[in-house]
Amino acid sequence: GENVEQHPSTLSVQEGDSAVIKCTYSDSASNYFPWYKQELGKRPQLIIDIRSNVGEKKDQRIAVTLNKTAKHFSLHITETQPEDSAVYFCAARIGMEYSGGGADGLTFGKGTHLIIQP
Amino acid sequence: NAGVTQTPKFRVLKTGQSMTLLCAQDMNHEYMYWYRQDPGMGLRLIHYSVGEGTTAKGEVPDGYNVSRLKKQNFLLGLESAAPSQTSVYFCASQKRRGRGNQPQHFGDGTRLSIL
Repeated sequence: GENVEQHPSTLSVQEGDSAVIKCTYSDSASNYFPWYKQELGKRPQLIIDIRSNVGEKKDQRIAVTLNKTAKHFSLHITETQPEDSAVYFCAARIGMEYSGGGADGLTFGKGTHLIIQP
Repeated sequence: NAGVTQTPKFRVLKTGQSMTLLCAQDMNHEYMYWYRQDPGMGLRLIHYSVGEGTTAKGEVPDGYNVSRLKKQNFLLGLESAAPSQTSVYFCASQKRRGRGNQPQHFGDGTRLSIL
């Protein structure tokens, strides 16, 4: 099955600086890569996703890049703010239609605790 | 617009007891999922369903059963709870994929403690 590695496990940056979180995946059949933000005691919230037919996607201060050859993707947050403090999870999914076998859910990384220092 | 609703929000069980977690979605999504989240482990897929009456195993299915009798509901059962099942359980739903992947929408979670 798919395996997703996420680094670093903890990231501390000064307010206003940029933060980068990196993930690698193992299965070349994966073609969908979402990023979730989870605040303490809350549900994971989708913040951005990318499909394997594009290399980069941007939404205001957040961007995601994908390198299919190297099987890694990264989350970039610019001009960080205190409200960006949370745990961020990357995930990957194999893009096959359900055929009666194999997981069709997301495989998550173990998370990065992002701390924004004032 | 409720989205994905999980009940109960908290529960404490004794080892060996049974219980059912309920997930309900009002978005008419075909796919539904149960994940568990443990400290330092991220979310792991327990079981999932791609339609009414169908279920399939995920990464960590042992000790759990599921049922999808109605499209809007996905039930997760623990027949004989064990301390190792202490976790936060998240349900998610997703629109059936067409030409592109669809995002998963999560509920607020159920915090379950097994003593």
